[in-house]
Amino acid sequence: DQQVKQNSPSLSVQEGRISILNCDYTNSMFDYFLWYKKYPAEGPTFLISISSIKDKNEDGRFTVFLNKSAKHLSLHIVPSQPGDSAVYFCAASGDFGNEKLTFGTGTRLTIIP
Amino acid sequence: ETGVTQTPRHLVMGMTNKKSLKCEQHLGHNAMYWYKQSAKKPLELMFVYNFKEQTENNSVPSRFSPECPNSSHLFLHLHTLQPEDSALYLCASSQDPALSQPQHFGDGTRLSIL
Repeated sequence: DQQVKQNSPSLSVQEGRISILNCDYTNSMFDYFLWYKKYPAEGPTFLISISSIKDKNEDGRFTVFLNKSAKHLSLHIVPSQPGDSAVYFCAASGDFGNEKLTFGTGTRLTIIP
Repeated sequence: ETGVTQTPRHLVMGMTNKKSLKCEQHLGHNAMYWYKQSAKKPLELMFVYNFKEQTENNSVPSRFSPECPNSSHLFLHLHTLQPEDSALYLCASSQDPALSQPQHFGDGTRLSIL
């Protein structure tokens, strides 16, 4: 039973436009969420996080939105750049991050020049 | 340069072989992790070490045996593996044992069991 779901395995976006990656979770005890980015043949790299006391966190071109009532979070990238082409993983944890991370299956983002 | 180095990058072994995966971090982190990523599945946490002590074993079969001789090195000893163990094995580290700390991942070892 997957507790963190990324229902879109892939997404293509034109360069310069907004990329929106979605993630849904089922465990109401999750209160800390992270996004990781992975290039081929490399390990995931941490991108941005958010705790449940906030509904938005922004870092440059990357913004994560959290909707606790819908158990949904999204990562917005604007403007999208070719270097953003990668697989993006959503991860969640409970006890404000003191529990193990549960990952989604990832979404492959392709930025079209 | 990720700061977390895994060797080898690729490994092909038979079911009766014994091999070891190595992970090294020079970030001064105190916590290290082994993850498994199978095709089309999420990353699964296998083991957690905090200050060289194992604090989590996520119901991993005994054919996987971790070893953490010091806070900079982590090994995963493999013995009598099954074809379903073919996967990408990722090592990670974090400054603080609290799992909320962003984890720094190595590039992984792609393991294929014949």
